[in-house]
Amino acid sequence: TQTVSQSDAHVTVFEGDSVELRCNYSYGGSIYLSWYIQHHGHGLQFLLKYYSGNPVVQGVNGFEAEFSKSDSSFHLRKASVHWSDSAVYFCAVRKASSGSWQLIFGSGTQLTVMP
Amino acid sequence: EAAVTQSPRSKVAVTGGKVTLSCHQTNNHDYMYWYRQDTGHGLRLIHYSYVADSTEKGDIPDGYKASRPSQENFSLILELASLSQTAVYFCASSDDWGAYEQYFGPGTRLTVL
Repeated sequence: TQTVSQSDAHVTVFEGDSVELRCNYSYGGSIYLSWYIQHHGHGLQFLLKYYSGNPVVQGVNGFEAEFSKSDSSFHLRKASVHWSDSAVYFCAVRKASSGSWQLIFGSGTQLTVMP
Repeated sequence: EAAVTQSPRSKVAVTGGKVTLSCHQTNNHDYMYWYRQDTGHGLRLIHYSYVADSTEKGDIPDGYKASRPSQENFSLILELASLSQTAVYFCASSDDWGAYEQYFGPGTRLTVL
């Protein structure tokens, strides 16, 4: 069974702080991971992805994520957050399905950036 | 320009009625997906398609049908809408090998009364 766990439902930080949003996965096949952001009332937007190579991947707007096989994790980080980063963040893992692929999403982490 | 569009953006339907949600993409992607999102939860896959005139069941297909008449268009059909189908529905597309990089539409808020 493939699962994605985002243990923090809510994270609150101040503008300019650093932040780490946690994601742990359980999957027996090749690991394809991604992060998405959802601003209130909008659809999800792709942030970044990892399949192989450098375990630290860079995304848009200063976001990066680090893959760890030993910890089964793919945590998202940003060094200095802005109020516009307030949103819900979803981690996802790709799984094989009926000769195709589909994403399994975590339950999301609501990030609130205080002024 | 938005590459994945959905219509309508919101809809109120009556229990037992038929509802059709439409999705159009200009990404030239082969894969298209329908998800539902319930308040405070992640997305769950209903149906998907990787070629025109063919659809596949996702994790929660019961009560839903899908139609892919062309590469650009993908519809979700609720033949007999029920209260439990009140949710926000998202359409997405991806290319052959980028299923973990999907592009989403703005969503349709469906309320079944």
